[in-house]
Amino acid sequence: DQQVKQNSPSLSVQEGRISILNCDYTNSMFDYFLWYKKYPAEGPTFLISISSIKDKNEDGRFTVFLNKSAKHLSLHIVPSQPGDSAVYFCAASGDTGTASKLTFGTGTRLQVTL
Amino acid sequence: GAGVSQSPSNKVTEKGKDVELRCDPISGHTALYWYRQRLGQGLEFLIYFQGNSAPDKSGLPSDRFSAERTGESVSTLTIQRTQQEDSAVYLCASRLSGGAQETQYFGPGTRLLVL
Repeated sequence: DQQVKQNSPSLSVQEGRISILNCDYTNSMFDYFLWYKKYPAEGPTFLISISSIKDKNEDGRFTVFLNKSAKHLSLHIVPSQPGDSAVYFCAASGDTGTASKLTFGTGTRLQVTL
Repeated sequence: GAGVSQSPSNKVTEKGKDVELRCDPISGHTALYWYRQRLGQGLEFLIYFQGNSAPDKSGLPSDRFSAERTGESVSTLTIQRTQQEDSAVYLCASRLSGGAQETQYFGPGTRLLVL
């Protein structure tokens, strides 16, 4: 049972344009969401997060939007740069039990072309 | 070093052998996690250590998997009688404490291949 889903395995965007990566979740207990970026042969690196009490969080070129009613979040990167080419993982955590464990999606590979 | 380190970076073993994977968390981080990522899949939670509390082992896939952590330092993940389905990247992460909204910092992973 995949509780966090990233339905697009890959995305190609031109440099300077907006990249939009999508993520859906099914567990209504999730209340904290994160995006991680992963380069080959490296561990995931934290990018940006959002709490369920917010619907938007912005950090420089990166903005995460959360739509709780739709159980959907998205990561916007604008403008996209070649160095943004990586695999992006959406992750979620709840506030009970092993609250701090993260449940990950399968990732979206972003390719930013020149 | 400043980050989470893991060793070995790569491990090839024969089916049925035991393997031991090591994680050195960031100094001072009380919480430590193990995840694994099989080919084409997302990261799966395996086990969580928080200070001196009993570890949460709810993600371990079978009793062939075990992990230990000494205090707030090194952790080892042991897989006994390895199977081909154990082939994956095993990732360790640490965080300052167990706060649900704190960032987890990941190591580079150990790529395990079971032949």
